[in-house]
Amino acid sequence: KQEVTQIPAALSVPEGENLVLNCSFTDSAIYNLQWFRQDPGKGLTSLLLIQSSQREQTSGRLNASLDKSSGRSTLYIAASQPGDSATYLCAVSTNNNNDMRFGAGTRLTVKP
Amino acid sequence: SQTIHQWPATLVQPVGSPLSLECTVEGTSNPNLYWYRQAAGRGLQLLFYSVGIGQISSEVPQNLSASRPQDRQFILSSKKLLLSDSGFYLCAWGGSGLPVWNEQFFGPGTRLTVL
Repeated sequence: KQEVTQIPAALSVPEGENLVLNCSFTDSAIYNLQWFRQDPGKGLTSLLLIQSSQREQTSGRLNASLDKSSGRSTLYIAASQPGDSATYLCAVSTNNNNDMRFGAGTRLTVKP
Repeated sequence: SQTIHQWPATLVQPVGSPLSLECTVEGTSNPNLYWYRQAAGRGLQLLFYSVGIGQISSEVPQNLSASRPQDRQFILSSKKLLLSDSGFYLCAWGGSGLPVWNEQFFGPGTRLTVL
């Protein structure tokens, strides 16, 4: 069964720093991978969706890459801001399983 | 634009009581709908999804059930709540029909505490 792991569990950086969040998955037969942001006590906000045929997607200061063969995705955040502080979740849908699996998330704190 | 609503926002219920959580979507037709649970210390878990009225797929055996009485309405229910049902319940919509796993958009969630 697909397992999704996110490292690190928590990250604290000073404002302005570029950072990378990691997501790994065990089954490379994925349909797509989605990155979300969750603020405390709130629902999830979709950030980027990468289809299995794509290598990366970009939106503003965010760039997500996908390497199916190694079972990894990274979310790159450029010039981080305090408003970026939130928990970032990756989710993977798999061709073989009728399911969408989430990682436990990375809690990001950007200090002014 | 599409909007997804959930209510209530918070709920405190005694063990053994029934449950009904509602989710509605505006601005789209025949959406795929999903219920997730986020329990303390655990990741998001898919509970149910639906590709159309009356069509429900369950991902895990549990004390809960789901129904879709109308095109844009998705209801999560329980006849008797357990302590382990406590958590943050999220409804989402994404695409229409197959494939089931399109980009998903989430509602604000319902915080359920079972005492």
